Amino acid sequence: DTGVSQDPRHKITKRGQNVTFRCDPISEHNRLYWYRQTLGQGPEFLTYFQNEAQLEKSRLLSDRFSAERPKGSFSTLEIQRTEQGDSAMYLCASSPTTDAREQYFGPGTRLTVT
Amino acid sequence: AQKVTQAQTEISVVEKEDVTLDCVYETRDTTYYLFWYKQPPSGELVFLIRRNSFDEQNEISGRYSWNFQKSTSSFNFTITASQVVDSAVYFCALSEAGYSSASKIIFGSGTRLSIRP
Repeated sequence: DTGVSQDPRHKITKRGQNVTFRCDPISEHNRLYWYRQTLGQGPEFLTYFQNEAQLEKSRLLSDRFSAERPKGSFSTLEIQRTEQGDSAMYLCASSPTTDAREQYFGPGTRLTVT
Repeated sequence: AQKVTQAQTEISVVEKEDVTLDCVYETRDTTYYLFWYKQPPSGELVFLIRRNSFDEQNEISGRYSWNFQKSTSSFNFTITASQVVDSAVYFCALSEAGYSSASKIIFGSGTRLSIRP
């Protein structure tokens, strides 16, 4: 049995480049969340999916960010025209319920924009 | 709006000392969950505990204990006889409960705990 997996674990990119991260939730988990954690802060909610539907987006998610969850399985988070301020840890979590009591976090993707 | 405040940015104690991490929260919800997570240097979030707003019983798990007081909106975490392996950043967090909600988790800014040998 595997937990939530994220790929890549680390990404270094130059400012202006596009990057895409992948999250594979625990099998049959309907809910999938993306959070962003900047240095010295706690994780902040970005967006979430109920199956394939994206139901809420934080104001932190600028128009350079897009997330998808085709077929309600894995999810991708793309950042276009990266900026240095995008440097952060991007965390994915999945849940088998619509209730917060069981959210399982992945190991995160650490993005560094140079 | 929901908010979690961890006023202690960093704490440093000598091994075997007891240490308490403070957490104060704000919410208008009557039903919610409170959490504590540990984030070691490796970066992964390690779930420690979840409490339902209806359950104010304190909890003890080995050297860890949690004090939930609704009257003061606090959910403090105590480590007894601290060990070097307890060194990490600890996050207190809050989420609305209920099956029709987004159930996103709101995190505090964390307390960096250093245990000196």
